[in-house]
Order: sequence, then C-alpha cells, then structure tokens
Amino acid sequence: DVKVTQSSRYLVKRTGEKVFLECVQDMDHENMFWYRQDPGLGLRLIYFSYDVKMKEKGDIPEGYSVSREKKERFSLILESASTNQTSMYLCASSLSRLRQARKLFFGSGTQLSVL
Amino acid sequence: DQQVKQNSPSLSVQEGRISILNCDYTNSMFDYFLWYKKYPAEGPTFLISISSIKDKNEDGRFTVFLNKSAKHLSLHIVPSQPGDSAVYFCAANYNQGGKLIFGQGTELSVKP
Repeated sequence: DVKVTQSSRYLVKRTGEKVFLECVQDMDHENMFWYRQDPGLGLRLIYFSYDVKMKEKGDIPEGYSVSREKKERFSLILESASTNQTSMYLCASSLSRLRQARKLFFGSGTQLSVL
Repeated sequence: DQQVKQNSPSLSVQEGRISILNCDYTNSMFDYFLWYKKYPAEGPTFLISISSIKDKNEDGRFTVFLNKSAKHLSLHIVPSQPGDSAVYFCAANYNQGGKLIFGQGTELSVKP
C-alpha cells in the first residue's frame, strides 16, 4: 500500500512564525502535491512537483514556498504565518505516467491553526 | 473562478436507497474526471474515475455518469450503506499530469 505520511496531525503556531509542514511518501512516486482544504472551498492546489528540485505554483501559492531535495520528501513552508493560513493541509503523491499520474494518494492531513 | 462545482453541500439518504451526487464543470478542456471519498481525520481516497471518451463507468455499487454537452457528471451509489457516509469530492484534469482541480465537496449521510 502507498503510504503518504505527514509529520504532524495538529499544529498551533503564532502569527509571523515560519512554519514547516513535512510530507514523506514511500512508493517512489515522482509527483507530489500540497493542497489546502477549507469549508465551502474544497481542496485548492498550493504547489506541486514532478521531480526532485523541481516545483510549480498551483492556484494559491501566495505566502507559501516548497522544497523538494529528495524524491520521497516534499516540504511546504509558510514564510510568515498569518491567520488566514489556518486550514487543513493535505499532501499527495502519484506516479508520473499519465494514467497513473491522475490517481493521487493523500496523507491524513495537518490541521494548522495560526493564532 | 470555481471550475469544478458541487452545489449541494450535503445529502441525506436512507440505507438501501440510491445516492446521487452531482458535479458541474466549466472548462471544456477537462478530459478526465475522478471522485474521491474522505472520512473525518483521514485523507481523501480515490473512488472511481471516467475519461471524457466515455459516458459511464461502473465499479461495484458505484457508477459515474458523464454528460459532456451539459458539462455535468454524477456519482450513483446503489445501494447506499451507512459506511458510505463521508465527504465526496469531484475532481477534473486536462492532460497536466497529476494536477487535479477539486470541487467543494458534498457530505453524504446514509441513515440506517
């Protein structure tokens, strides 16, 4: 079974702090994604990566950055946390072959509260 | 600009009956559609998908219908079971690798 592990289930941070959310997958997937889930808005793509050291902006990248130094690990960074970044953050991965690329495997999520 | 819309935030059905979840999209470039299911405290899991060259795909109790002219798809669950109670997300893709555009989700409650 594919396993996508997010380092924290719950996280509470203060406004202005730099926040790191970590995600590791164990199935040698090329593609990795960060989404946030908010009530009434569904899942929105923040950043994604199709290869090591490669990153692309999703639909809502403002206030975030990412790092992919190793194939299995994709980190989301909130440079200066703000209260509107309070959300459920979901990491996902998939294979690079097109038909498989669309089948995402998600982690359990990190509920981040910024106070 | 919400390219994928699920206009019903919630749906309640009786066990054994049919559940129909709806999804509309605006981008005619989308060529692949998926449904994900999410339980509380868990990440979404893939349920079923359909390519734009088809109008129906079936997997056990789950069937997805695609109406390209109306830019509408639906997920049918027959018969519904209490374990189907979850949030269902519709998602779409247009030949951009794994980048999926999700709808807002519909919370399904199946009552015994």
